[in-house]
Amino acid sequence: GENVEQHPSTLSVQEGDSAVIKCTYSDSASNYFPWYKQELGKRPQLIIDIRSNVGEKKDQRIAVTLNKTAKHFSLHITETQPEDSAVYFCAASRYSGGYQKVTFGIGTKLQVIP
Amino acid sequence: DAEITQSPRHKITETGRQVTLACHQTWNHNNMFWYRQDLGHGLRLIHYSYGVHDTNKGEVSDGYSVSRSNTEDLPLTLESAASSQTSVYFCASSGLAGVGTGELFFGEGSRLTVL
Repeated sequence: GENVEQHPSTLSVQEGDSAVIKCTYSDSASNYFPWYKQELGKRPQLIIDIRSNVGEKKDQRIAVTLNKTAKHFSLHITETQPEDSAVYFCAASRYSGGYQKVTFGIGTKLQVIP
Repeated sequence: DAEITQSPRHKITETGRQVTLACHQTWNHNNMFWYRQDLGHGLRLIHYSYGVHDTNKGEVSDGYSVSRSNTEDLPLTLESAASSQTSVYFCASSGLAGVGTGELFFGEGSRLTVL
């Protein structure tokens, strides 16, 4: 089955700095890579995703890059703000015809220091 | 608005008791999932279903069972609760049949404590 490794497990940055979280996956058939944000005591929510036919996707201050050859994808948050403090999960999925099984990384606890 | 709800939100039980966590979604999603969240392990898949009467084991399915008798509900049963099953449980759904973005919609979570 799919195995997703995520680094680092914790990350502290100063407000305004950038944060980068990296993930690797094992199943070359995985074709959908979402990122979820979980605020303290809340449910995980999708913040950005990328499909295997795309190398990079950006949405305001967040961006995701994908290297299919290396089976590696990363989340980049620029100009971090205190409200970015949360746990971030990367995931990998083989998505076909509406069916999928999503495997998550262990999560990265991001702390943005004001 | 469509939603996904879990109950109970908090439960304390004793070792050996049977426990059922309910999950109900009104998205009309075919795919439903149960995850457990533990510090240092992230979200681990327990069971999943692609439709009515379909159930599949995830990576940590021992001691758990599910059944899918309709589109809306996927209850998770712990046959004989163990202390190792103390965790926060999340139900999620995705994917209208044949379409959908792949996004998982999570419930609010159920915190289970087994004493």
